[in-house]
Amino acid sequence: SYELTQPPSVSVSPGQTTTITCSGHNLEDKFVSWVHQKEGQAPLLVIYLDAKRPSGIPERFSGSNSGNTATLTIFGTQAMDEGDYYCHAWISRTTGVVFGTGTRVTVL
Amino acid sequence: QVTLRESGPAMAKPTQTLTLTCTFSGFSLTTIGMYIGWIRQPPGKALEWLALINWADDKFYRESLKTRLTISRDTSDNQVVLTMTNVDPMDTATYYCARFRRDTPVSGPSDAFDFWGQGTVVAVSS
Repeated sequence: SYELTQPPSVSVSPGQTTTITCSGHNLEDKFVSWVHQKEGQAPLLVIYLDAKRPSGIPERFSGSNSGNTATLTIFGTQAMDEGDYYCHAWISRTTGVVFGTGTRVTVL
Repeated sequence: QVTLRESGPAMAKPTQTLTLTCTFSGFSLTTIGMYIGWIRQPPGKALEWLALINWADDKFYRESLKTRLTISRDTSDNQVVLTMTNVDPMDTATYYCARFRRDTPVSGPSDAFDFWGQGTVVAVSS
């Protein structure tokens, strides 16, 4: 089965850059999206098609996808960016959608 | 304005069949490229995709659960229903429905779950 692996946690100081990776076999052949989930809330889409931002998502959120790794970067991280981040991708008609293992971002 | 709302029982007993309903508005599931999916999240754990249904009534299931899941739609009532048979305490989770789009001529996010419901909590216990 196809898996997307993320680091369990990342800690960052306010104003610094947060980098979260999502690794999967030949991931660059897929379109990767990212959602942000705050405690007790439903997820919110922050990046789709590897690097596009939905309307209303701040410019400090950026994405890329190359080789086996997709990356979500948050420039100038703010306290409101704390929470869990999950990558996901449509893999195939047989496999469907796969979510990453999730990364908890803590802003110290 | 796109909205989705999940409904269903808060509790179930082992071996029972669980039926969850997603009621949506602000878009049509018959539009090319539109999908609605179900995702669950056990307490303290990661999101887990369960099933998808699309504009052509194609259905896709998580491989490990496909013998227990059925997804269906009622396009006139703007609802998508997920049934899960033979539930177990391991199925205790928050269940979300969300919109997904692929290869759609409509502008906006693609290949992503772009709108989510607030989730419904289901506890399986005897």
